[in-house]
Amino acid sequence: NAGVMQNPRHLVRRRGQEARLRCSPMKGHSHVYWYRQLPEEGLKFMVYLQKENIIDESGMPKERFSAEFPKEGPSILRIQQVVRGDSAAYFCASSPTSGGTDTQYFGPGTRLTVL
Amino acid sequence: AQSVTQPDIHITVSEGASLELRCNYSYGATPYLFWYVQSPGQGLQLLLKYFSGDTLVQGIKGFEAEFKRSQSSFNLRKPSVHWSDAAEYFCAVGARGSYIPTFGRGTSLIVHP
Repeated sequence: NAGVMQNPRHLVRRRGQEARLRCSPMKGHSHVYWYRQLPEEGLKFMVYLQKENIIDESGMPKERFSAEFPKEGPSILRIQQVVRGDSAAYFCASSPTSGGTDTQYFGPGTRLTVL
Repeated sequence: AQSVTQPDIHITVSEGASLELRCNYSYGATPYLFWYVQSPGQGLQLLLKYFSGDTLVQGIKGFEAEFKRSQSSFNLRKPSVHWSDAAEYFCAVGARGSYIPTFGRGTSLIVHP
C-alpha cells in the first residue's frame, strides 16, 4: 500500500532552466494538491487538481508555474525559467475525495535548489 | 483571513521530559485545527485534529492537544518525549469545508539524550 510518491526527491537547476516535479497519488486517490514550503515558513497551498481538471489554482504564481494531472500518469508541477526564489520544498498531497485537510496524505516532497 | 502563529522556532527538551508546543490562531468562526509532524526528509503526517466536541484531543504517538477558545490556542503536549520525536511540528487551521489549510511556520523539536 504505497503512499504518495514524489520524484525526484532533490532537484538542482540553474537559473533559466525548467523544473518538472512529479507526484503519484495514493492508489484510489483522484485529488491532488501541491504546496510550497519556503525556508523557515509553513506550507502554502498552490493548486488543487482532479484528473484532467484544475479545480483551484489560487495559490499559483501567475507566471512560469503550471500544473497538470492527466488521465494517465502522475501529476506534474512545472516551473519554467526558474529563479533563485523558486528554491523551496514542494509537497504533493492526495485525497480520495474533495474533503478537508484531514483527508490529505502528503508525499515526502521535492527539494528544489536553484543555483 | 485566518492565520496561525507558532511563537517558538526551536524547542529543546531532554528525553523523558514533558513537552508543550504552542499554537495560536486567528479565525472568525470555530475552526478546524490540526497538528502535523514532519520528520527529516519526510512528508507531513497528521498527528491529531479538532473539529468539535471534547476540547482535549488525543492523537497518535502519545500526543494530545487542547483547544482553548478563550485564548485562541491549540497547544500540543506530550508527557514524556522520546528521541524519535525530534522533528518539525506544524500547526494548521482550516475553515469548515475548505481544503486549503493555513500552516504556521513550524517549531523544530530537538531532543537531548
